[in-house]
Amino acid sequence: ILNVEQSPQSLHVQEGDSTNFTCSFPSSNFYALHWYRWETAKSPEALFVMTLNGDEKKKGRISATLNTKEGYSYLYIKGSQPEDSATYLCAFRANDYKLSFGAGTTVTVRA
Amino acid sequence: ETGVTQSPTHLIKTRGQQVTLRCSSQSGHNTVSWYQQALGQGPQFIFQYYREEENGRGNFPPRFSGLQFPNYSSELNVNALELDDSALYLCASSRGQAQNTGELFFGEGSRLTVL
Repeated sequence: ILNVEQSPQSLHVQEGDSTNFTCSFPSSNFYALHWYRWETAKSPEALFVMTLNGDEKKKGRISATLNTKEGYSYLYIKGSQPEDSATYLCAFRANDYKLSFGAGTTVTVRA
Repeated sequence: ETGVTQSPTHLIKTRGQQVTLRCSSQSGHNTVSWYQQALGQGPQFIFQYYREEENGRGNFPPRFSGLQFPNYSSELNVNALELDDSALYLCASSRGQAQNTGELFFGEGSRLTVL
């Protein structure tokens, strides 16, 4: 079982503010790092799949960075909106096909 | 393009019973994986099927079994249910070979309660 940790477990942010949170994963046998957004009563939806050290990906106001040597990824939300309220899951894929998920960071954006 | 659908959405069973959960993968996807999410935890990998064959398994006992059909839909079967099997079961499909880095497309899950 690979240890994938996300912090914080939850956070509250005021509408319009920016925020970020962390995913830590093993630094060996890296293959890919996934980020998913999971809104209540919906299915998890892919945000990013990152494969290269130093990768930076962006989708609208959400972006992510990747450091495979030290085993962490940051997800950033710029100018948070109520629709950004969700649980954000990261998942690590080693040199096999299995995805190991973190427990998620639950973001609540207050209007 | 039809998304991933799972059935049933909710079900209640008693200890010792058996359950079958179903998943229709997204059009064009030949790989299906199943995950168990217990309360407060991230999804845990159960197993994966690629072109009708299991090609990977997580740390789950043999009473968790599955099938993938020629149309790439899939079933998860759990025998001799235990209270700890109560969880949300997620199915995800993806395109291409098992080792691809591509994103997963998830269903909304089946919520199983074991009494």
